Amino acid sequence: EPEVTQTPSHQVTQMGQEVILRCVPISNHLYFYWYRQILGQKVEFLVSFYNNEISEKSEIFDDQFSVERPDGSNFTLKIRSTKLEDSAMYFCASRAGAGGTIQYFGAGTRLSVL
Amino acid sequence: AQSVTQLDSQVPVFEEAPVELRCNYSSSVSVYLFWYVQYPNQGLQLLLKYLSGSTLVESINGFEAEFNKSQTSFHLRKPSVHISDTAEYFCAVSETGFQKLVFGTGTRLLVSP
Repeated sequence: EPEVTQTPSHQVTQMGQEVILRCVPISNHLYFYWYRQILGQKVEFLVSFYNNEISEKSEIFDDQFSVERPDGSNFTLKIRSTKLEDSAMYFCASRAGAGGTIQYFGAGTRLSVL
Repeated sequence: AQSVTQLDSQVPVFEEAPVELRCNYSSSVSVYLFWYVQYPNQGLQLLLKYLSGSTLVESINGFEAEFNKSQTSFHLRKPSVHISDTAEYFCAVSETGFQKLVFGTGTRLLVSP
């Protein structure tokens, strides 16, 4: 069964450093999402991406965040200058086009900012 | 804007007992409703969804949920739980089903022998 793949599973970084979280969505899916889950809190929407541009973003997704689909398979989330409060589990999700209503999630990347 | 409330942060239950995990939502428009499950150290997996039609939806592993529009609820039930059902369960809503998911805070189901 096709699945969304995220790498790395755990990323440790120093405050102020840039990180790139990588995702390989399900092949032929057209809509891509990033969510995050701070420990003990609910899953929160960050951004959605379609047709090579952001279609919606939350208040959390400020200028420190960016997304990119650099090639036909990868979907990345970049945090330019990490803060302690960016520590969280980051989930990538993808959805098919043509009426697909289910978002399929990856296993997540745990980001630890020290 | 939509919101989801899961009042129970944790539900302990004995194996083979019935369980209900509550979910209420708020929205000014029609929504699509989802239950996702997160097993320890894993990602989110879709358990079941309500898009339209029959208000009672079922999953392949014995869970069911009923959409109640008047009470704006989408409670998840299982008549007899297994140890392997121990996980975090998230209720989520989406406007039209094509947009972002708005999640509740989750309910941790703890099944003991």
